[in-house]
Amino acid sequence: QLQLQESGPGLVKPSETLSLTCTVSGGSISNIPYYWGWIRQPPGKGLEWIGTIYYSGSTYYNPSLKSRVSISVDMSKNQFSLRLTSVIAADTAVYYCARSQPYSTLPGDYWGQGTLVTVSS
Amino acid sequence: QSALTQPASVSGSPGQSITISCTGTSSDVGGYNYVSWYQQHPGKAPQLLIYDVNKRPSGVSNRFSGSKSGNTASLTISGLQAEDESNYFCSSYTTSSTCVFGGGTKLTVL
Repeated sequence: QLQLQESGPGLVKPSETLSLTCTVSGGSISNIPYYWGWIRQPPGKGLEWIGTIYYSGSTYYNPSLKSRVSISVDMSKNQFSLRLTSVIAADTAVYYCARSQPYSTLPGDYWGQGTLVTVSS
Repeated sequence: QSALTQPASVSGSPGQSITISCTGTSSDVGGYNYVSWYQQHPGKAPQLLIYDVNKRPSGVSNRFSGSKSGNTASLTISGLQAEDESNYFCSSYTTSSTCVFGGGTKLTVL
């Protein structure tokens, strides 16, 4: 059974960089049809797609975040990571990692449990 | 990219059917048959209900169905049950190869 688990600091100071890692178990991150992505949800609000990566390194980002976000993959550790620079209070959210649908940037059927990241001094 | 438009809330009685709409543009919903729907209970991760407009993943009840007409996609839940009370989100592929979500709809089972 595929499992995804987010990890990283729960508190980040304004203007600093948010870094999260998603560890995939029960399957390979280099499984050809699938992309891997990040989605976030501010408290009490809706879902926002952040971006997606293919194991080859191809990336797709939300245009509204593109200048601040980067997603990378580490096949040796079966992990992919998110970096969001120059964070502000509005970046406070539950961050989810998820496996995408085959050959798609749309999130699919496997999600992590989510991790709350608070931006505050 | 602008978020897809969903009603903030819908309600229905047990046994009834309800439909949730998801309106986009020709650059997303109307341009591709790549619309998905997710169910999210409070405090939990979203769960995929529908993909490719009208396909159900294994294990999802056939009470959930999807359709699309023009720039608007719809999720229909038939035989409403108390456990269906939840939040529902749509998403669509876009011309930029990205993904855009709807604002979400809270379903109340009366």
